[in-house]
Amino acid sequence: GENVEQHPSTLSVQEGDSAVIKCTYSDSASNYFPWYKQELGKGPQLIIDIRSNVGEKKDQRIAVTLNKTAKHFSLHITETQPEDSAVYFCAAFKAAGNKLTFGGGTRVLVKP
Amino acid sequence: GAGVSQSPSNKVTEKGKDVELRCDPISGHTALYWYRQSLGQGLEFLIYFQGNSAPDKSGLPSDRFSAERTGGSVSTLTIQRTQQEDSAVYLCASSFSGDRSSYEQYFGPGTRLTVT
Repeated sequence: GENVEQHPSTLSVQEGDSAVIKCTYSDSASNYFPWYKQELGKGPQLIIDIRSNVGEKKDQRIAVTLNKTAKHFSLHITETQPEDSAVYFCAAFKAAGNKLTFGGGTRVLVKP
Repeated sequence: GAGVSQSPSNKVTEKGKDVELRCDPISGHTALYWYRQSLGQGLEFLIYFQGNSAPDKSGLPSDRFSAERTGGSVSTLTIQRTQQEDSAVYLCASSFSGDRSSYEQYFGPGTRLTVT
């Protein structure tokens, strides 16, 4: 089955700096890669996603890149703000499997 | 519109008791998923419902776990004879369809289960 590795497990950045989280996946048939933000005591919130026919996608301060050949994808947050502090999860989805496989999560702390 | 809702938000139960967790998906969403999140861990897939098709139960950790979805909407996850290792946050998600048209899954706030 699919296996998703996520790094780093924790990330501390100064407000205004950029944060990058990287994920690798094992199943080349996976074709949809969402990123979720989870704040304490809440469910994961979808913040951005990318499909396998696209290499990059941007939404304001957040961008995601996908390298299908290398089977890895990354989340980039620019101009970080304290409210970006949360746990971020990457995931991979394969239509045939109909379920998301999640990475282990990255705890991001933005220091003011 | 209303998002995915789950109840109860917290549940404390004694080892050996049965528990039922409820999920109300977003109206019109045909696919429903249950995941488990242990303390400080990622999310683990449990079960998937799509319309009237037989559910994908491949993630259920033991036969003490079961789920049903009545009328294609509300779902109940049941854990029988609870064990301490069942303590976790149980998350429900729904999506418009399990096919190629829409992959986005939207999560509820979860039910925190504590087995004492």
